[in-house]
Amino acid sequence: GAGVSQSPSNKVTEKGKDVELRCDPISGHTALYWYRQSLGQGLEFLIYFQGNSAPDKSGLPSDRFSAERTGGSVSTLTIQRTQQEDSAVYLCASSLTRAGNTIYFGEGSWLTVV
Amino acid sequence: AQSVTQPDIHITVSEGASLELRCNYSYGATPYLFWYVQSPGQGLQLLLKYFSGDTLVQGIKGFEAEFKRSQSSFNLRKPSVHWSDAAEYFCAVRMDSSYKLIFGSGTRLLVRP
Repeated sequence: GAGVSQSPSNKVTEKGKDVELRCDPISGHTALYWYRQSLGQGLEFLIYFQGNSAPDKSGLPSDRFSAERTGGSVSTLTIQRTQQEDSAVYLCASSLTRAGNTIYFGEGSWLTVV
Repeated sequence: AQSVTQPDIHITVSEGASLELRCNYSYGATPYLFWYVQSPGQGLQLLLKYFSGDTLVQGIKGFEAEFKRSQSSFNLRKPSVHWSDAAEYFCAVRMDSSYKLIFGSGTRLLVRP
C-alpha cells in the first residue's frame, strides 16, 4: 500500500480482555517496528522485526505483550489480560532494510482500557 | 546510554514569528538524526533527516535543521510559523550500528493568531 496501515484505529476494551492490533507495512519493507506512546509521554520502543531473523523483543513491557509477523509482511501485536496502564497509542512503522534510512509510521491504534 | 533531550515541553509563538526547537543527543559518534511532526490524532510524519554532508538540511513545510557536532545538537527552525504548524515535534536518533529509533520526549508547539 501507499503507507503503513494500522487497525483498528480506535479500540475500547474492558480490563482483563485480550486485544489484537494489526499492522500492514509498506509493500517491500523488510523492517517493522512497534512503538507505544502513552499520554504525555514520548515514544517507547516495543519490538522490531527484520526479515526472517529473530525479532528484538527487548522493549516489550511484560509477558502479556507479544507480537508476530506472518510471511514477512503483516504484523499483529497482542496484549493479553489488558490493564488500564496499557491505554496508549500503539504505533507501527516500517522501513526498507535494517540499515534503511527513513522509518515510516502509521497513524496508530488508540487503545483505551476501561 | 544513547539518549535524546528536547528541553522545551511547550513553546508558544505568534503566527509569522520565527521558531527554533531544541534537540540534543548523547552519543560518541555521529548518529542519524530525524525530526518528526505529529498533529493531533495523527501518526508521525518525517520533516527532515541528517545522515552526512551539509550540516544544514532542508525539509518539508519550510522547516530546516542544523547539525552541530560540537554541541551535539540538531535544532529545528522555521523562519515564519503558520497556524497549521501547531503540533508536537519529536527529535529522534538512530545509530549506524543499530536499527532502533530513539525519540526525545517531544515539544508541543502552540501558535498564537
